Amino acid sequence: QSALTQPASVSGSPGQSITISCTGTSSDIGSYNFVSWYQQHPGKAPKLLIYEVNKWPSGVSNRFSGSKSGWTASLTISGLQAEDEADYYCCSYAGSSILTFGGGTKLTVL
Amino acid sequence: QVQLVQSGAEVKKPGASVKVSCKASGYTFTTYYLQWVRQAPGQGLEWMGRINPNSGGRNYAQKFQGRVTMTGDTSISTVYMELSSLRSDDTAVYYCARGDTMVDSWGQGTLVTVSS
Repeated sequence: QSALTQPASVSGSPGQSITISCTGTSSDIGSYNFVSWYQQHPGKAPKLLIYEVNKWPSGVSNRFSGSKSGWTASLTISGLQAEDEADYYCCSYAGSSILTFGGGTKLTVL
Repeated sequence: QVQLVQSGAEVKKPGASVKVSCKASGYTFTTYYLQWVRQAPGQGLEWMGRINPNSGGRNYAQKFQGRVTMTGDTSISTVYMELSSLRSDDTAVYYCARGDTMVDSWGQGTLVTVSS
C-alpha cells in the first residue's frame, strides 16, 4: 500500500493553466478508473473535486478537470484564481476495499 | 445536507487508546461506507480503513491492523474509530469521510495529540 507520487509543489499565475500529476502502479491507477482529487485549504477538511477520473461532483467548477493515462492520473486547473491556492491530493482505489492517497501537491498562485 | 460531526480534540499519553466518534445526518446512514483518514501535522492524507454501517463489515490498512477498531451504531447513525497503543507519531487530525471508491463528504476532523 504505497502512496501515489505527486510533485511537492507547482505554481502558476492568475489566468494560466497548471497540471498536477499523480503516478501509481498497475495495482491501483493502472487497474481502476476510481481516481479522485481533493482540494484542501489550510486548517480545513479536504473537498472532493473530481471522481472516477474525470467526473465532477455537483457544485464544483469545470475549471477543474481530470484525466488518466496508464498508471498516471492528472488534474488540470484552468483560469487559475487566487482562491485555488491550496494543497491537492489524488486518491485511487487499489482493490480489496483499499484506498491510497498521493503525498499532496502545494499549489502557489503567483 | 450531508453532515458528519466528529467528537472533540483529545490529548493522550503514549500507550493509551483513543476513541473518536462520527455522527452522520442528512442521508440514510446504512447506504454509504464510512472511511477514516488521518493527517499528521504538515503531512499528507493517510487512509486507515472503512466500515460498512449496514453489515458492520470492516477493512483496515495493513499499517494499522491489530491497533485499530472501527465500529458503528445504526440506532444513532454514528461510527467510531478506536486506536490503541498510541505513539507520538499518531499525533494527527483524524477525519471520517463518506464514500466507497471515493469520498464525497468529510467530517470536520478531530485532533488527537499523543504526548507524555
